[in-house]
Amino acid sequence: GAVVSQHPSWVICKSGTSVKIECRSLDFQATTMFWYRQFPKQSLMLMATSNEGSKATYEQGVEKDKFLINHASLTLSTLTVTSAHPEDSSFYICSASASGRGDTQYFGPGTRLTVL
Amino acid sequence: QKEVEQNSGPLSVPEGAIASLNCTYSDRGSQSFFWYRQYSGKSPELIMFIYSNGDKEDGRFTAQLNKASQYVSLLIRDSQPSDSATYLCAVTPPGGGADGLTFGKGTHLIIQP
Repeated sequence: GAVVSQHPSWVICKSGTSVKIECRSLDFQATTMFWYRQFPKQSLMLMATSNEGSKATYEQGVEKDKFLINHASLTLSTLTVTSAHPEDSSFYICSASASGRGDTQYFGPGTRLTVL
Repeated sequence: QKEVEQNSGPLSVPEGAIASLNCTYSDRGSQSFFWYRQYSGKSPELIMFIYSNGDKEDGRFTAQLNKASQYVSLLIRDSQPSDSATYLCAVTPPGGGADGLTFGKGTHLIIQP
């Protein structure tokens, strides 16, 4: 159990366009979902935390108007990168935690975004 | 400022030997500690978690936690080439996991056949 999926696995877009990434918990209800970003040879950096039905909490330095997060249900969270620029090119990874499973986070396979 | 420190490596270990990975954390009130393995270009996968002082064993893996020294380690026995990866140490803050994990930069482990 505890499978998290992400879609798409990779995306290439033009500068100025918006990209939506979906994160789904397939076999459990995720009380909290997290969005991370990882640049090459760097560690994962938490971008935001979202709980179903409430506004996401963004980490310092992350623009909430640029990275829109919607946690529509207990199994789905979406991250929309608005007006993407080349510097937004990165590996975006979501994770989910479930009530009753402590603090353990289960990661999705990640989405590699390339902005031309 | 929450910090998790790991030696970036690479750490080279011969096949069949014990690999020892270390991690220190700055926030004394941290509650939960995790080890993830990340292959190049892939997302992290959970290896183990530990909450209490002492050792926790799972197959070839043993996690060790010393809260007084703010130190957590991962031992891999009978290392295999497939264990070659980056190992990430992650810590939850005193308030628990609702605030997300703080990751170290990872230790790159190479198992030499």
